[in-house]
Amino acid sequence: GESVGLHLPTLSVQEGDNSIINCAYSNSASDYFIWYKQESGKGPQFIIDIRSNMDKRQGQRVTVLLNKTVKHLSLQIAATQPGDSAVYFCAENWGGSNYKLTFGKGTLLTVNP
Amino acid sequence: EAGVAQSPRYKIIEKRQSVAFWCNPISGHATLYWYQQILGQGPKLLIQFQNNGVVDDSQLPKDRFSAERLKGVDSTLKIQPAKLEDSAVYLCASSFQTDYGYTFGSGTRLTVV
Repeated sequence: GESVGLHLPTLSVQEGDNSIINCAYSNSASDYFIWYKQESGKGPQFIIDIRSNMDKRQGQRVTVLLNKTVKHLSLQIAATQPGDSAVYFCAENWGGSNYKLTFGKGTLLTVNP
Repeated sequence: EAGVAQSPRYKIIEKRQSVAFWCNPISGHATLYWYQQILGQGPKLLIQFQNNGVVDDSQLPKDRFSAERLKGVDSTLKIQPAKLEDSAVYLCASSFQTDYGYTFGSGTRLTVV
């Protein structure tokens, strides 16, 4: 069964605002987490990852926060742009060295101009 | 580098017919995955290959689904016979053996009528 879930199935923001997408996971043994972006008609695209020995990682306009105490993951997008509109999935590695990702259901982010 | 190639992009078949999907991973990627993504859900792992060997096929419905990666490069996924509930996007992904990040193809959208 799925262990990764999202608190909000949809999120609508104004262009230029910051977006926060949340994710809960239940497998305390997961050692690696990835956020993917999926646009209509395309495969998931890697955004940012974080290992379980970290609690924060920053990329270009994106930040991932990991709270292992409450098994919570979040993706922050700064200055959200219309091109950020997509479905965002968090995924966790259940497979250890086999790198087997389990995906949540996704959050649809809509950016209004 | 070239991405993960999949074909066909779309396929419509009648139930009880058979269908095959093809995937060409990124050159040098030893690990290949097939995922099934039903509309509105996150991708679900069907099978994982390491070179030409199966690492995990625990979620593959083996009574109707089969997959192979004979030479450790290209892979095919077959469904025979198809059911209505097989309508989904079938995604192929690949990764280096020691690289956690997957790269996904654009997928094949299957509609079973």
